[in-house]
Amino acid sequence: SQTIHQWPATLVQPVGSPLSLECTVEGTSNPNLYWYRQAAGRGLQLLFYSVGIGQISSEVPQNLSASRPQDRQFILSSKKLLLSDSGFYLCAWNSDEGIEKLFFGSGTQLSVL
Amino acid sequence: ILNVEQSPQSLHVQEGDSTNFTCSFPSSNFYALHWYRWETAKSPEALFVMTLNGDEKKKGRISATLNTKEGYSYLYIKGSQPEDSATYLCAFGDYKLSFGAGTTVTVRA
Repeated sequence: SQTIHQWPATLVQPVGSPLSLECTVEGTSNPNLYWYRQAAGRGLQLLFYSVGIGQISSEVPQNLSASRPQDRQFILSSKKLLLSDSGFYLCAWNSDEGIEKLFFGSGTQLSVL
Repeated sequence: ILNVEQSPQSLHVQEGDSTNFTCSFPSSNFYALHWYRWETAKSPEALFVMTLNGDEKKKGRISATLNTKEGYSYLYIKGSQPEDSATYLCAFGDYKLSFGAGTTVTVRA
């Protein structure tokens, strides 16, 4: 069966520090991978998605970047965090075969102070 | 970014009562409408993926309907139980889903 792992669960970082959140999927190949963020009081906002290794699409201009170095690994990064980067980050995947529901990781609560 | 609206933002239901709430989305270029349940301290979990106008889906006491021509979907909970307390998210689109802000349901025993 397929599983998705996301870590860390919580992170407190100072403004200006770097960020690396990691997500891995097991039990499937060539998944679509996604990074979503939920800011306080708002819905889930799509940040990045990837349909294959090295293929990253950004949905909103921001201070963050994403990379997919391996088929089932998706990394969210920042060189210098801003206060506005605080939020709850969710990694998700679905099949590359048409309309499919999303499977979400357990999320990372990021607080930038 | 597609505009997906959910209402109400929150509601309280007495145990045993039924309830419903709405998701509105653009009626043009419809692809799919998803419903997710997000319980506290857990990951969002898919309830339904709906693709056809007039679609009705059911999972236990929870059901959903879809009207793509007018751009809305209803989620119904019949005989609410405390374990139904969660935030219910709808999402619209193809493989790049736009999510609504959710309806938070609290079921009181």
